[in-house]
Amino acid sequence: DGGITQSPKYLFRKEGQNVTLSCEQNLNHDAMYWYRQDPGQGLRLIYYSQIVNDFQKGDIAEGYSVSREKKESFPLTVTSAQKNPTAFYLCASSIVLGQGGNEQYFGPGTRLTVT
Amino acid sequence: LAKTTQPISMDSYEGQEVNITCSHNNIATNDYITWYQQFPSQGPRFIIQGYKTKVTNEVASLFIPADRKSSTLSLPRVSLSDTAVYYCLVGDKRQVAGSARQLTFGSGTQLTVLP
Repeated sequence: DGGITQSPKYLFRKEGQNVTLSCEQNLNHDAMYWYRQDPGQGLRLIYYSQIVNDFQKGDIAEGYSVSREKKESFPLTVTSAQKNPTAFYLCASSIVLGQGGNEQYFGPGTRLTVT
Repeated sequence: LAKTTQPISMDSYEGQEVNITCSHNNIATNDYITWYQQFPSQGPRFIIQGYKTKVTNEVASLFIPADRKSSTLSLPRVSLSDTAVYYCLVGDKRQVAGSARQLTFGSGTQLTVLP
């Protein structure tokens, strides 16, 4: 049963701590994405990767970092430099890069709360 | 991606047909139109995609006029479980190498189905 998994579903951290959100896919997709969603808002792109060992900044990359060492995995680190890290984080993938015309498959999301 | 405009919210009653329109005046020749559905605290789910005229699948229809400057998502006989946010996304399929294209979702349309 193919899909995208994100863990954990809920995450709590103290201000000033870095935290890493997991994203794994077994769909054999080349492209992966991280989005942030705030209450009542749409999705904003943080980072995306079109292939292993390559990634690009999206609209709101400041305070975040990613890696793409394996095709299946695209972890996101929320650093202490991110001023407002509390949000709902969504990982997605598509066969190739280009969300405009390629179906994106989304994970269940991780809700991060920083106090 | 082309800029899109959707109504912020819509109400309907169970059993009715719902039509949600998305305006995309600056759609490009190679752009496709894709709609996603999102339930609270979940990742968006692909509903339907089209390029021109009409596309129908088991859950929805997508109507695209000849000038492609707008599109209408049609949900037949909605039920309470169709209450969700619906996003319209417009862009092309081409794989992008090494560029920083903006790949974003807007705020979507909150559809509320009433009993």
